[in-house]
Amino acid sequence: AQSVTQPDIHITVSEGASLELRCNYSYGATPYLFWYVQSPGQGLQLLLKYFSGDTLVQGIKGFEAEFKRSQSSFNLRKPSVHWSDAAEYFCAAGSNYQLIWGAGTKLIIKP
Amino acid sequence: DGGITQSPKYLFRKEGQNVTLSCEQNLNHDAMYWYRQDPGQGLRLIYYSQIVNDFQKGDIAEGYSVSREKKESFPLTVTSAQKNPTAFYLCASSTTGMETQYFGPGTRLLVL
Repeated sequence: AQSVTQPDIHITVSEGASLELRCNYSYGATPYLFWYVQSPGQGLQLLLKYFSGDTLVQGIKGFEAEFKRSQSSFNLRKPSVHWSDAAEYFCAAGSNYQLIWGAGTKLIIKP
Repeated sequence: DGGITQSPKYLFRKEGQNVTLSCEQNLNHDAMYWYRQDPGQGLRLIYYSQIVNDFQKGDIAEGYSVSREKKESFPLTVTSAQKNPTAFYLCASSTTGMETQYFGPGTRLLVL
């Protein structure tokens, strides 16, 4: 069955520390891959996406993600987090109108 | 500014009542989507529409209905058959099914 797994429900990091959020997918072929961010009570904003080509993808707000086909992973990274990064992050995979979503990882920033 | 609007922000439903959530986009996108979000879960697809006058069921369509009479509008009706409607509902649109989906701000539906 197709699925997207975000193993960490919550992650707490100190402001200024580096961040890595994990995403693993199970899909018949290489899907399109996305990371979105959601602030409480708000809609989702696209951070970055991978369709093909360079496996290291740059996004907005200083985020990047690396596609690793051998590990079926698409982990999100940021070298130094800011308090404004506190939010929930969703990984999604799919194609042709239908995306499969992970359950989300809530990022908590310690001052 | 181009974007997606959803109204109302909060909606209250009484037992046995149908309610309709509005979604409008001015991005000139062909495809539109409705998702349901529950705490601790990812988004689940209710319905999607590839083009005007066409729509398909998603994973959890039971108890919901949609229409797509205009390119910019994709309203969702939560019928009385949906026994657990309390959730956050998100509308999205994209140019095609293979492109990025852009989201509205959401509507929170509560049952009285």
